[in-house]
Amino acid sequence: KAGVTQTPRYLIKTRGQQVTLSCSPISGHRSVSWYQQTPGQGLQFLFEYFSETQRNKGNFPGRFSGRQFSNSRSEMNVSTLELGDSALYLCASSFVRQGGYGYTFGSGTRLTVV
Amino acid sequence: AQTVTQSQPEMSVQEAETVTLSCTYDTSENNYYLFWYKQPPSRQMILVIRQEAYKQQNATENRFSVNFQKAAKSFSLKISDSQLGDTAMYFCASGGSQGNLIFGKGTKLSVKP
Repeated sequence: KAGVTQTPRYLIKTRGQQVTLSCSPISGHRSVSWYQQTPGQGLQFLFEYFSETQRNKGNFPGRFSGRQFSNSRSEMNVSTLELGDSALYLCASSFVRQGGYGYTFGSGTRLTVV
Repeated sequence: AQTVTQSQPEMSVQEAETVTLSCTYDTSENNYYLFWYKQPPSRQMILVIRQEAYKQQNATENRFSVNFQKAAKSFSLKISDSQLGDTAMYFCASGGSQGNLIFGKGTKLSVKP
């Protein structure tokens, strides 16, 4: 079974631009969640989508948005990029096994804002 | 607010020995899960072990086991027979079923030959 696929792996953008990151979950997984990882703040939850609906949202400004398509693939968008948005962005798809939940992560997209 | 605290920023252990990583958490959820993830330099987050909070029995996965103390809100990870490949950042996390995992700051584990 293919894992969680995130594209691109690396991205360099200029302040003020916008960026779109993509995440393809494991086949059959309907939930995708996004996280931002920085050295200072650690791992922080951005939002979670299930069946094309945002079910949960973290404490991030409105410049951060996302969506999920009917095939469960998800995109997140950051508009008007700031230097502080430089981070590793991870997505995870959820699974149910032995009656419990778990989360499988992709390798992330490293975003650098210059 | 939900929090996860890992009080050991760095630890080291000799190959083949046992090490325990500490984690405490605070949550208002009734039905939650606890996880340990490993992040090597390749940056891939790898699930090490998970525990359903309603289960009293401690989870085990080969060389990895947890000591889950629900009343104390403690969830430590024990790695037995440490191997060089265990060198990584280890993150403790708590959360429910809607992807909103709360992570600790991580413990950098170095396994020395």
